[in-house]
Amino acid sequence: NAGVMQNPRHLVRRRGQEARLRCSPMKGHSHVYWYRQLPEEGLKFMVYLQKENIIDESGMPKERFSAEFPKEGPSILRIQQVVRGDSAAYFCASSTGTGLNGEQFFGPGTRLTVL
Amino acid sequence: DAKTTQPPSMDCAEGRAANLPCNHSTISGNEYVYWYRQIHSQGPQYIIHGLKNNETNEMASLIITEDRKSSTLILPHATLRDTAVYYCIVRVRRDDKIIFGKGTRLHILP
Repeated sequence: NAGVMQNPRHLVRRRGQEARLRCSPMKGHSHVYWYRQLPEEGLKFMVYLQKENIIDESGMPKERFSAEFPKEGPSILRIQQVVRGDSAAYFCASSTGTGLNGEQFFGPGTRLTVL
Repeated sequence: DAKTTQPPSMDCAEGRAANLPCNHSTISGNEYVYWYRQIHSQGPQYIIHGLKNNETNEMASLIITEDRKSSTLILPHATLRDTAVYYCIVRVRRDDKIIFGKGTRLHILP
């Protein structure tokens, strides 16, 4: 059973470009969470999605950031017009959301560097 | 903000038990205590969780005080691979977002 997969693992963008980060949850998991970790800082929650629905986006910046989790395919975190302050590691986690083992399992992360 | 307080760093000799404390004095009756760890640059890894009883799994033991205001994560035989930042978290629901604090940076000394 493959774990949470994220790609790309490393992404370099110039200021003003768009960044698309993908997350494929574990098999059987319908809940996806995105977290951001700035250099030398802790992880910060961004958004929580279930299939086709955003459940909690309280941690998402109001502008330039969006997330989706379509019925088919991976979850996408999209950052438009990136700025240097967006440079960070972005982690995705997934869970079943219910049952005894509704734990969040994290992917390896995508490291975004904005030049 | 995180509802837990942890020491910023700790050292432990390899092969010894590592005891990581956590204070959560404002914990509610329906909140669980969770522990995760993050090994350098990797995604966080779930370790263990509990409500009020002590818990043990293949990775660690979790000791929760009777008043539930503090807990201790025990790694029984620490190895160099246990070097990581350990996060103590309280939350109500398993599908709730995780609010990470600063955690404890555990150094295992050879």
